[in-house]
Amino acid sequence: SYVLTQPPSVSVAPGKTARITCGGNNIGSKSVHWYQQKPGQAPVLVIYYDSDRPSGIPERFSGSNSGNTATLTISRVEAGDEADYYCQVWDSSSDRGVFGGGTKLTVL
Amino acid sequence: EVQLVESGGGLVQPGGSLRLSCAASGFTFSSYSMNWVRQAPGKGLEWVSYISSSSSTIYYADSVKGRFTISRDNAKNSLYLQMNSLRAEDTAVYYCARGAGEVLPIDYWGQGTLVTVSS
Repeated sequence: SYVLTQPPSVSVAPGKTARITCGGNNIGSKSVHWYQQKPGQAPVLVIYYDSDRPSGIPERFSGSNSGNTATLTISRVEAGDEADYYCQVWDSSSDRGVFGGGTKLTVL
Repeated sequence: EVQLVESGGGLVQPGGSLRLSCAASGFTFSSYSMNWVRQAPGKGLEWVSYISSSSSTIYYADSVKGRFTISRDNAKNSLYLQMNSLRAEDTAVYYCARGAGEVLPIDYWGQGTLVTVSS
């Protein structure tokens, strides 16, 4: 089955740039979606189809996908960005949705 | 405003059954695919099942295949998850979630309902 690998945690100072990676075999050939989840809340879609932003999501959030790594980039990080972030793809070879293990973003 | 409201969670013994429901409003339910996603306490997200807008296509995670059944009633704007032969490892918050594309992404989520499998 297809596996997505994320770092368990990423720490960044306010105002700096956070990069959260999502690794998978030839993930560049798949569409990657990113979700933000704050404690006690349902997830929220922040990036879809690798780099598109839903309405209401700040331009500070961006995404890229190439080769074996997809990346969620959060520029000018704010305290309110502290959350768990999950990447997701659809594995068409098995017709299964797959989530990465999640990355806890800590704003120092 | 899109709203997804889950119900039916609770405490059930191992081997038991439970039926989750999700009431949808604020959009044309029959035009969208739907998913169930779960999250065990303190753990990450796990995709559980997908159903297309017309119910013609259904997929399951290997961990629930043969035990869970997803269904929908477009006339009632409702999504369901019938869970049988429940195990302790099925304990989780179950989210009803709307699909925005052919299968993904998920663009709206309910607030979730907690299922606890324990004796």
